[in-house]
Amino acid sequence: ILNVEQSPQSLHVQEGDSTNFTCSFPSSNFYALHWYRWETAKSPEALFVMTLNGDEKKKGRISATLNTKEGYSYLYIKGSQPEDSATYLCPIGATNKLIFGTGTLLAVQP
Amino acid sequence: NAGVTQTPKFQVLKTGQSMTLQCAQDMNHNSMYWYRQDPGMGLRLIYYSASEGTTDKGEVPNGYNVSRLNKREFSLRLESAAPSQTSVYFCASTEAGTGAGSYEQYFGPGTRLTVT
Repeated sequence: ILNVEQSPQSLHVQEGDSTNFTCSFPSSNFYALHWYRWETAKSPEALFVMTLNGDEKKKGRISATLNTKEGYSYLYIKGSQPEDSATYLCPIGATNKLIFGTGTLLAVQP
Repeated sequence: NAGVTQTPKFQVLKTGQSMTLQCAQDMNHNSMYWYRQDPGMGLRLIYYSASEGTTDKGEVPNGYNVSRLNKREFSLRLESAAPSQTSVYFCASTEAGTGAGSYEQYFGPGTRLTVT
């Protein structure tokens, strides 16, 4: 059974702090790892899709790394801003679908 | 480009009533998905369709049926609503058919359903 674990469950930081979260997944039969940002009262939006071990992706102040051999990915946010407040999801890709965990809720205080 | 649209936005049903949630995408995507989101549970896949005319069960299909009417539209039907089906329902689509697990999904705005 494919399972995704994210930690921490929630995180409160001050504006300007840098932060990171962890996503753990089974390392066998890896297919793809996604990161989504989900703001309250909105829909999830894709940040990154990663498929290769050692992949690093960056979008503005947000970056992600992938280790498929040990089954984890990190998402980093540099200089957090209040608009970064959201739930961050890291579903793993199976052949035709995504499998989601419960996410990390980030709250950035001004 | 409207992306993924869902109707209705809100719905209240009584136990035992039926209804259909509608989803449409205008991106010529091959795969479409229905999820439900409950507090503390994350997004759980109900059904998906990798191409017109095909549907497959996800993690929580019981109590639901789906129809992939054409490439654009994918509907979710509750035949006899139960309070346990109170949830927020999201439709999503992605470009690929087979192998869609490595393609980003685009989500609709959600339907908030309450069953009393």
